[in-house]
Amino acid sequence: KAGVTQTPRYLIKTRGQQVTLSCSPISGHRSVSWYQQTPGQGLQFLFEYFSETQRNKGNFPGRFSGRQFSNSRSEMNVSTLELGDSALYLCASSLPGPINTGELFFGEGSRLTVL
Amino acid sequence: GENVEQHPSTLSVQEGDSAVIKCTYSDSASNYFPWYKQELGKRPQLIIDIRSNVGEKKDQRIAVTLNKTAKHFSLHITETQPEDSAVYFCAASKGGSYIPTFGRGTSLIVHP
Repeated sequence: KAGVTQTPRYLIKTRGQQVTLSCSPISGHRSVSWYQQTPGQGLQFLFEYFSETQRNKGNFPGRFSGRQFSNSRSEMNVSTLELGDSALYLCASSLPGPINTGELFFGEGSRLTVL
Repeated sequence: GENVEQHPSTLSVQEGDSAVIKCTYSDSASNYFPWYKQELGKRPQLIIDIRSNVGEKKDQRIAVTLNKTAKHFSLHITETQPEDSAVYFCAASKGGSYIPTFGRGTSLIVHP
């Protein structure tokens, strides 16, 4: 069974630009969540999507947005990039509702550098 | 909202020693406490978890303890090996959504 796949793995942008990151969950997983990982801050929750609906949202500005498609694939977008947005963005999927054990299955992440 | 504090931020041990990482949480409604291991350049992976109806759980060389009254939980690794070197994250969440609040991570270095 294929794991969680994130693209692109690495990207460099300049301030003011926007970026879109993609995540394909494990087959059968319908919940997809996104996290920002920075040195010293650990993993911070961005948002979670389930059945194409944003179900939970973390404490990030409106420049961070996301969506989920009918095949459970998800994208996140960051507009008007700032230097502080440089981070590893991790996507995770989890088992569907009744059999969800709480375990998150992470992708390898998209490393964004903003110059 | 939930707040998770994790200590220490860095832990250096000799191979064969034990390592203990401690976390505290603030929301008494949290009932699921996973631990993730992230090796350098790799994805975080669940290594062990504990639910609020259990006080301790073991899996070979790793164990987790939970004190609900004090709102803290700990990861114990015995007989550490160089391959245990990684960043370890604790987290707290509530069943249902299982959206975790993570600690800031502990970098464990095991010297051969």
